[in-house]
Amino acid sequence: SQQGEEDPQALSIQEGENATMNCSYKTSINNLQWYRQNSGRGLVHLILIRSNEREKHSGRLRVTLDTSKKSSSLLITASRAADTASYFCAPSNQAGTALIFGKGTTLSVSS
Amino acid sequence: NAGVTQTPKFQVLKTGQSMTLQCAQDMNHEYMSWYRQDPGMGLRLIHYSVGAGITDQGEVPNGYNVSRSTTEDFPLRLLSAAPSQTSVYFCASSDGRSSGNTIYFGEGSWLTVV
Repeated sequence: SQQGEEDPQALSIQEGENATMNCSYKTSINNLQWYRQNSGRGLVHLILIRSNEREKHSGRLRVTLDTSKKSSSLLITASRAADTASYFCAPSNQAGTALIFGKGTTLSVSS
Repeated sequence: NAGVTQTPKFQVLKTGQSMTLQCAQDMNHEYMSWYRQDPGMGLRLIHYSVGAGITDQGEVPNGYNVSRSTTEDFPLRLLSAAPSQTSVYFCASSDGRSSGNTIYFGEGSWLTVV
C-alpha cells in the first residue's frame, strides 16, 4: 500500500467550529481509511470510503474522496474538546496488505 | 474479545540487551503488523505478516526480527537494542479477506533503550 500525506500538520480551533483536514496520495486506490489517535493510545478506525464513493458520513464526520485529484478530506463538524487527537489517512490499493501511515494532522480543540 | 494485546506496556533496556515484544490477537485475523512511532515521524511499518509462517519487511526492518508460528501471535524481537530503537511500538491486525481491511491496533509498548 502507499502512504497518504495529511495536511495541515497541525490545526487549532475552538469548540463548536468545524475542522477540515486533507489527505493526498499518489496512485490509484481501492479504498481510503481515516484513523484517530488519542495521546498515548493506539489508532482507532473512523471511517472507510471506497474508490467508487464520493462522500460518506458517520455522525459528525464527513469524508470526501476525489480520485481525479487523488485527495480526500475529513470534516469534523461542531468540534468538541474530546476530538483533540491526531488524525491519519491510509490509502489502500490492495486488499489485506499492511497500511502505510503518514505523519498525521494534530487537531487541538479548545473550550 | 480482547482485540490486540501487547506486552509489556513499558520497558527499559540497556544498549546491547535483547528482548521480545509480545503481540496477540483473538479475532482470527490473517494480517498482523508492527509499527513504531517517533515524535514528528508518524507511524512507520517495521514488519508484517500475511498469515502463519509468512513474514515480510516493512519500511524500517533493520534491528528487528519477527516470526509468525500461529495465527494469533506475532512477536517482535530486538536482538541487540540500540538507543535509536527508543520508541513506541504498536502491533496491529486486520482481516485480509475483506476488501476494506480495517486495522485494529494494540495500546502500544513504550520502549526506552539507555
